[in-house]
Amino acid sequence: SAVISQKPSRDICQRGTSLTIQCQVDSQVTMMFWYRQQPGQSLTLIATANQGSEATYESGFVIDKFPISRPNLTFSTLTVSNMSPEDSSIYLCSVQLRTGELFFGEGSRLTVL
Amino acid sequence: GQSLEQPSEVTAVEGAIVQINCTYQTSGFYGLSWYQQHDGGAPTFLSYNALDGLEETGRFSSFLSRSDSYGYLLLQELQMKDSASYFCAAHNDYKLSFGAGTTVTVRA
Repeated sequence: SAVISQKPSRDICQRGTSLTIQCQVDSQVTMMFWYRQQPGQSLTLIATANQGSEATYESGFVIDKFPISRPNLTFSTLTVSNMSPEDSSIYLCSVQLRTGELFFGEGSRLTVL
Repeated sequence: GQSLEQPSEVTAVEGAIVQINCTYQTSGFYGLSWYQQHDGGAPTFLSYNALDGLEETGRFSSFLSRSDSYGYLLLQELQMKDSASYFCAAHNDYKLSFGAGTTVTVRA
């Protein structure tokens, strides 16, 4: 299993500001994944954070809007830049074990006013 | 691209059996997983099928047919605590693509 700590757990932000979400894992993992879940919706993969290289972004997500850092094998950050109300969502950090099982952090619930 | 189809909601009574179907179209497919998510909580892993057939884990079972691009999650002896959203997820390459989710409501 894996224990993932994510913070902040929730925040209320003003339009045009940026917020950085932190994700800490209790073991070393090669890849960390950032998902977004809008209210009542499914999970959409934003990007895969790789240690030592740039993140790999999914279609519809760009680095300027969602810059990601991965300084070591246990930590990653996701920044939501220049926020608008459409960015109000839950952002989830996750890691995948060799068994294929995905472990998620508790999520960061962002509300943009 | 990737697409997964599952029913949006199911309602059943305590003690009943519920089957949630999932059909998928995805490239590089190598397995199907199921996740449970309670309101306000994080998704939690339920099961994973890499091969055709049935996997049983307590009251929950999952099935996969690669030839039909189809799988299902079977919830038996339903309990109130099983009220949650259930997502199927297709493994392709190194990542997962999730279905839209099925909201299961268990009534007394």
